Amino acid sequence: GDSVTQMEGPVTLSEEAFLTINCTYTATGYPSLFWYVQYPGEGLQLLLKATKADDKGSNKGFEATYRKETTSFHLEKGSVQVSDSAVYFCALSDGGALIFGKGTTLSVSS
Amino acid sequence: NAGVTQTPKFQVLKTGQSMTLQCAQDMNHNSMYWYRQDPGMGLRLIYYSASEGTTDKGEVPNGYNVSRLNKREFSLRLESAAPSQTSVYFCASSEERGDQETQYFGPGTRLLVL
Repeated sequence: GDSVTQMEGPVTLSEEAFLTINCTYTATGYPSLFWYVQYPGEGLQLLLKATKADDKGSNKGFEATYRKETTSFHLEKGSVQVSDSAVYFCALSDGGALIFGKGTTLSVSS
Repeated sequence: NAGVTQTPKFQVLKTGQSMTLQCAQDMNHNSMYWYRQDPGMGLRLIYYSASEGTTDKGEVPNGYNVSRLNKREFSLRLESAAPSQTSVYFCASSEERGDQETQYFGPGTRLLVL
């Protein structure tokens, strides 16, 4: 079945460092791809999404490009802030049901 | 506009007890979902309701029942709680059930079964 694999955490960075969180997927069709973020003690909220190959999703300085040839949707940010500390989930939509990766914890220190 | 709300925020149960987790959304969405989140497992779909009056099983439905009470409310019931159901439960909603739809999540219910 469809699945999502994302890099193990935790990822620890200093403020203003460059961030990459890798995400690859396995799917029989052409799913939409999502990044959700979970701040401490809160529910998940959509960070960005892409619905077809070569689409780039972006929000709050984060970007991810839907790469069909490498089945990847890596999350990047050029300069992280302490407020970006959270758990990041990559997900794909399979007929409307979200299939999540296990999550990557990001910790940013000043 | 509160979005998706869940009650209670936290609950402790003894093995064998029953309880109902409540979820409501005020965005006039047609589709609603229940997920559980376990450490190192991401989120897994328990049940969903594509529209009012319909419900379907997700990946991990065993030990749970759901009711789509009306368009706003979608409840999750544990008839006889087990320690394996200790988890954080999230309700979500979307306008429709479709690949491009964004799901909006509630703040979660933390459940501990002793």
